[in-house]
Amino acid sequence: GAVVSQHPSRVICKSGTSVKIECRSLDFQATTMFWYRQFPKQSLMLMATSNEGSKATYEQGVEKDKFLINHASLTLSTLTVTSAHPEDSSFYICSAVYPSNEKLFFGSGTQLSVL
Amino acid sequence: GENVEQHPSTLSVQEGDSAVIKCTYSDSASNYFPWYKQELGKRPQLIIDIRSNVGEKKDQRIAVTLNKTAKHFSLHITETQPEDSAVYFCAADGLNFNKFYFGSGTKLNVKP
Repeated sequence: GAVVSQHPSRVICKSGTSVKIECRSLDFQATTMFWYRQFPKQSLMLMATSNEGSKATYEQGVEKDKFLINHASLTLSTLTVTSAHPEDSSFYICSAVYPSNEKLFFGSGTQLSVL
Repeated sequence: GENVEQHPSTLSVQEGDSAVIKCTYSDSASNYFPWYKQELGKRPQLIIDIRSNVGEKKDQRIAVTLNKTAKHFSLHITETQPEDSAVYFCAADGLNFNKFYFGSGTKLNVKP
């Protein structure tokens, strides 16, 4: 299947700082990528759809000024958690659709811990 | 938008037994239904999927069935093994291009 790379895998930061997470499609171009948030023992909650060359589409209840998404190229989308607080601690995971078979593949996830 | 419900939330079976996980969806326009397996702290891995033009698909010990009229689909795992223990998610595509909606997950425990 397609390879989606996500970095970093784990980050610990102080409250009030910003954290950037990268999601890359390694062997294909992805005009659309998705960002999810997952709490322990819970499902994947779609946060936003990242569109190359245009603004991201956010799901209801997700603060776009808090979770900044940039999809500057066909292989890279970034999620920046601005002014992080402990309640932002979570597992963040991206995904992209492989164009040749329209199947969804996930990055390896980022465990964010805000102290 | 699409609403996907998944049952049961937890499932415990003896090694060698079969396991069945069921999902329902609300949007009759959905056409693609993947299943993912997620081990603790890792990414969800696509294990099998089905499109609306077929009713059943099988890959070794794993099968998926789809009933479009009733809007439900199921994952069947036969001859379960301890390494099948994980959380399984069903999903359905939505009206928006390539947007996926996930079920709440089923934690499968296969006891040796």
